[in-house]
Amino acid sequence: EVQLVQSGAEVKKPGESLKISCKGSGYSFTNYWIGWVRQMPGKGLEWMGVIYPGDSDTRYTYSPSFQGQVTISADKSISTAYLQWSSLKASDTAMHYCARARQGGNADWYFDLWGRGTLVTVSS
Amino acid sequence: SYELTQPPSVSVSPGQTARITCSGDELPKQYAYWYQQKPGQAPVLVIYKDSERPSGIPERFSGSSSGTTVTLTISGVQAEDEADYYCQSTDSSGTGVFGGGTKLTVL
Repeated sequence: EVQLVQSGAEVKKPGESLKISCKGSGYSFTNYWIGWVRQMPGKGLEWMGVIYPGDSDTRYTYSPSFQGQVTISADKSISTAYLQWSSLKASDTAMHYCARARQGGNADWYFDLWGRGTLVTVSS
Repeated sequence: SYELTQPPSVSVSPGQTARITCSGDELPKQYAYWYQQKPGQAPVLVIYKDSERPSGIPERFSGSSSGTTVTLTISGVQAEDEADYYCQSTDSSGTGVFGGGTKLTVL
């Protein structure tokens, strides 16, 4: 089965660090981009960035809104992508989805396969 | 920054046709994509490249494009179609962007 399996919910304090994961299976992980999408409580979807964990190189594209705020990485050997914070804030409280990213032919992006999401709660 | 504009809500009765619009200056140059999100669930792609339908998506879902506006049309709306719908495209710098979302209510 083609799927993305995300790590479980996290509860953290402001200032703490965090790394959540997304494991792909049922397809060739190194042939597809993986992206991350944020959804704050009761709000819409926000495009955070994408990573290409290719066999010969790794490429990234971040949304300007998230550049410098989070780090996207991947470990090809275990078909897993990561989203990382070095110092969490209360405003990072949100559901975070990973999704397989495709390009539609005009250097545009879309997501054709989604994980179930990881809820991150940041509270003192 | 680039914005995609959707109406906050659309309401239709069962069996009627729902149309959800999405406007953006780059849409004549970039494809639009549509996602359905039901409460407590991850989004699902329902339309890609303006008007293509992924396998497994019912035929009542269709998409169209005209100038700076794209439209998701749901013909013969069913109760199970009640959800939030998001358009998504890409800006001139190559970054993805979502519309604000439209809540479809089936009366």
